[in-house]
Amino acid sequence: EPEVTQTPSHQVTQMGQEVILRCVPISNHLYFYWYRQILGQKVEFLVSFYNNEISEKSEIFDDQFSVERPDGSNFTLKIRSTKLEDSAMYFCASFPGGSGYTFGSGTRLTVV
Amino acid sequence: AQSVTQLGSHVSVSEGALVLLRCNYSSSVPPYLFWYVQYPNQGLQLLLKYTTGATLVKGINGFEAEFKKSETSFHLTKPSAHMSDAAEYFCAVSPAAGGSYIPTFGRGTSLIVHP
Repeated sequence: EPEVTQTPSHQVTQMGQEVILRCVPISNHLYFYWYRQILGQKVEFLVSFYNNEISEKSEIFDDQFSVERPDGSNFTLKIRSTKLEDSAMYFCASFPGGSGYTFGSGTRLTVV
Repeated sequence: AQSVTQLGSHVSVSEGALVLLRCNYSSSVPPYLFWYVQYPNQGLQLLLKYTTGATLVKGINGFEAEFKKSETSFHLTKPSAHMSDAAEYFCAVSPAAGGSYIPTFGRGTSLIVHP
């Protein structure tokens, strides 16, 4: 069964550093998403991406966040200047437009 | 607008007992409904989904859920719990129309299975 692949599985970064989280969605899917889950808390929507542009974003997705699909396969989430409160599990998901969402196994980001 | 309420942050059952995890949703348009499972330090795995058609949907690992429109519910059940079912379970809703297709998750229910 097709999978959404996320790399790295775990990243530790210094506060103030930039990080890029990478995702390879399912190739024929149309919609792509980033979610985050702070330890022990709910899964929160960050941003959705359709037709090579952001379609919706949440209040969490402020100016320090950006997304790209640079080459038609990878889908990246960039955090420009990480804060301690950005420590979370970040999930990528893709959706074909009429069935279930497929989530990646996540990247655990630890900001120290 | 849409939202999901999962009743009970923790549910504890004995091995072999019935599992019932409750999910109620609100949605201004017809919904897609999902249950995901998350094992410790792992990602979200789709258990089952309702999109259209039969309101009783069967998923992996013996789980099933019934979409009840009149009750705005999508409760997850399993007749007999196994130790391996211990995990966090998330109910999610997304609009079936309107273009945004953004799933909203409940806060999750931690299933504890006692021997």
